[in-house]
Amino acid sequence: SAVISQKPSRDICQRGTSLTIQCQVDSQVTMMFWYRQQPGQSLTLIATANQGSEATYESGFVIDKFPISRPNLTFSTLTVSNMSPEDSSIYLCSVVQDYEQYFGPGTRLTVT
Amino acid sequence: AQSVTQLGSHVSVSEGALVLLRCNYSSSVPPYLFWYVQYPNQGLQLLLKYTTGATLVKGINGFEAEFKKSETSFHLTKPSAHMSDAAEYFCAVSLYNNNDMRFGAGTRLTVKP
Repeated sequence: SAVISQKPSRDICQRGTSLTIQCQVDSQVTMMFWYRQQPGQSLTLIATANQGSEATYESGFVIDKFPISRPNLTFSTLTVSNMSPEDSSIYLCSVVQDYEQYFGPGTRLTVT
Repeated sequence: AQSVTQLGSHVSVSEGALVLLRCNYSSSVPPYLFWYVQYPNQGLQLLLKYTTGATLVKGINGFEAEFKKSETSFHLTKPSAHMSDAAEYFCAVSLYNNNDMRFGAGTRLTVKP
């Protein structure tokens, strides 16, 4: 099974600033996903990040707001740019390995 | 596109009672179906999944789910609830080996002593 770590685990940020979330996997994976879980809600897919190509964003999410990097097969970053209180959520990294999807512990972001 | 609907955002049962969490899916092709559990302040943990084959799937912690194609359902059950089962449960559907997983809104399970 894949073990995923995320940094930071939580942060409190001021509006207008940006935060970069890191996702590290203990094995090489082709596909990585970034999800958002707003307070009391389900998970919403933000984008799919494949190594060596541009991330594919879901409807309602744009690269300028959520730029993603995928420099290698074990690492990815998601930046939440120009934050507003509405961005307060848990952000989760996820990977698929051997046809199973694994999730990181999440990054709890609060924007004040 | 595929989607799931979880009936009931909150379910409360007594300890020792049957747990039934409902999930219906929509998919244009045979789906892969999943149940995840999320304990407070923790990440998601896979309970069980259906891909192909036997329609009754057994998972961890005594949970099981049955894929019913005719009803487009994948309800999660446990014969006897335990206090430690209190958590948020998410049903999810994907196509083609998890490339595009979609989650339901979640059901919060409360277990009363």
